[in-house]
Amino acid sequence: QSALTQPASVSGSPGQSITIPCTVTSSDVGSYNLVSWFQQHPGEAPKLIIYEVTQRPSGVSNRFSGSGSDNTASLTISGLQAEDESDYYCSSYTRGTFFFGGGTKLTVL
Amino acid sequence: EVQLVESGGDLVQPGGSLRLSCAASGFTFSSYWMHWVRQVPGKGLVWVSRIKYDGSATTYADSVEGRFTISRDNAKNTLFLQMNSLRAEDTSVYFCARESGRATLFDWGRGTLVTVSS
Repeated sequence: QSALTQPASVSGSPGQSITIPCTVTSSDVGSYNLVSWFQQHPGEAPKLIIYEVTQRPSGVSNRFSGSGSDNTASLTISGLQAEDESDYYCSSYTRGTFFFGGGTKLTVL
Repeated sequence: EVQLVESGGDLVQPGGSLRLSCAASGFTFSSYWMHWVRQVPGKGLVWVSRIKYDGSATTYADSVEGRFTISRDNAKNTLFLQMNSLRAEDTSVYFCARESGRATLFDWGRGTLVTVSS
């Protein structure tokens, strides 16, 4: 069984940096290397912001970065802005199926 | 520009059926694996199904295995999800998504709402 665990909520003030961890529980060690992060504003489609743990798609702000250690992948948002207030999901893949973390609501104070 | 536009969502009674469509444009549809992902409004994302670029392989989440069927028409650049024996817990917004690179969902549609209720 595979699972991704992330905190339900995080918060930060404008200009600060925040980090959202995503703990990967899987018998397939390869699934850790395939962690992606999505940003989703209410009523909108998810938007890919990080893939393969650390890669940033073209057009995504460099304020978003991904990192990883052991079995935990993390999303860091630096220089917080009001527009970053959103839901963030990590996801991964193993043995033909995809799975998502439960989502983290970021509040910009 | 990649565009994915879902349609077919509706209100349906428990036990009923519905077919969703996803019209793709802006890329070579026949070269990409495609997915369906769903989301109960206000809740998290849940992966539903995946289909190989030529339609020769499919996988499903346990919750829909045997009830849902993913398919595609590469000549019409369209992805489908046939949903049978619908249950109240299938009520969700259904998104289609394009997979690229190494198992990454790069592009998403805006979704279509399916409501299962009597």
